[in-house]
Amino acid sequence: AQTVTQSQPEMSVQEAETVTLSCTYDTSENNYYLFWYKQPPSRQMILVIRQEAYKQQNATENRFSVNFQKAAKSFSLKISDSQLGDTAMYFCAFTPSPYTGANSKLTFGKGITLSVRP
Amino acid sequence: DTGVSQDPRHKITKRGQNVTFRCDPISEHNRLYWYRQTLGQGPEFLTYFQNEAQLEKSRLLSDRFSAERPKGSFSTLEIQRTEQGDSAMYLCASSAGLQGAEQFFGPGTRLTVL
Repeated sequence: AQTVTQSQPEMSVQEAETVTLSCTYDTSENNYYLFWYKQPPSRQMILVIRQEAYKQQNATENRFSVNFQKAAKSFSLKISDSQLGDTAMYFCAFTPSPYTGANSKLTFGKGITLSVRP
Repeated sequence: DTGVSQDPRHKITKRGQNVTFRCDPISEHNRLYWYRQTLGQGPEFLTYFQNEAQLEKSRLLSDRFSAERPKGSFSTLEIQRTEQGDSAMYLCASSAGLQGAEQFFGPGTRLTVL
């Protein structure tokens, strides 16, 4: 079974600054994907960024980047130039690769509430 | 097709009543998932379909819960004899399976059981 741990329940950052959200996971799978999802208050869950475990290069999407440490089973999200619209709950999630034949359900962490201060 | 849709968005019911939710996935996606999310928590897996086949059900899915995906298109999730503990957000997601591991979520159905 896989587990995803987000140990920081809340964080706050000043607008335009950089913030890093932490996530660790545990799995016996070798091929898997990791994701960060964003859920704004009362709004839909949207995908922020994804990382394939076999890729050593850290994924980046505009102001969002990850620090993927496979050996340490760590997957943190860095948000640069924070904007007010980044205020949301952020979830780290894990899924086995669809090619493994395993159940491709997402296993989520408990989430972290990020507040961006003007 | 602009994304995953769910209906209704909100449902208030009395304890003991039956409710049914609908999910329409992204049209070319063959995998469809149901999750349940309670306030301040991450979503928890309930069940998933590949095309019309229901491949796995979580232990969270008691006998009062049933899901279908006829013809591999939309899906329904029915809860019979609702209990107050069923109050939650029910999320549907779809993915392209071997063509992509990302799951795309609908807006959810918020269920309140009085």
